[in-house]
Amino acid sequence: KAGVTQTPRYLIKTRGQQVTLSCSPISGHRSVSWYQQTPGQGLQFLFEYFSETQRNKGNFPGRFSGRQFSNSRSEMNVSTLELGDSALYLCASSLDVSSSYNEQFFGPGTRLTVL
Amino acid sequence: AQTVTQSQPEMSVQEAETVTLSCTYDTSESNYYLFWYKQPPSRQMILVIRQEAYKQQNATENRFSVNFQKAAKSFSLKISDSQLGDTAMYFCAFPSYNQGGKLIFGQGTELSVKP
Repeated sequence: KAGVTQTPRYLIKTRGQQVTLSCSPISGHRSVSWYQQTPGQGLQFLFEYFSETQRNKGNFPGRFSGRQFSNSRSEMNVSTLELGDSALYLCASSLDVSSSYNEQFFGPGTRLTVL
Repeated sequence: AQTVTQSQPEMSVQEAETVTLSCTYDTSESNYYLFWYKQPPSRQMILVIRQEAYKQQNATENRFSVNFQKAAKSFSLKISDSQLGDTAMYFCAFPSYNQGGKLIFGQGTELSVKP
């Protein structure tokens, strides 16, 4: 089975621009979660989608948004980029969102640099 | 609030030796899972080992084992016969109760295995 894929792997943008990142989960997985990883704040949960619905949301401003398609692929969008948005964005998929087991499989990440 | 704390930002160990990484957590739940993830320089997050809280037996995966002490809310990772490929960031994590796909991560421990 193919793993979680994320595109693009690297991205350079300037302040004020917007960006869209894509994540394709493992086949059969219906839950997709997004995390932001920075040296200062560590790994922080952005949001989670299950069956095209946002189920959980972290503590991020409204500039961060996402969606999930019927094939479970997910995109996240960041508008009006700020320097502090420079980070590694990780996507993770899992089979069953309702289970406390909830093993998540991570993609390789998208490294976003905002200049 | 549910929290995860890793008190060792950096550790180093000689090849073939044993090292233990510490993790403490706080939750009011009685049954839950705990995870150790490894993030090598390639940035791909990989699940190393999982522990179910109601199981008293400590989980073991080849050279990796945990010391799970539920009453003390402690979940340490022991790596035996350390190899150069074990060099990575290690994160302790557990699912946020009733929030599906949200994982709460510790700050991470950067492990260096020296030849």
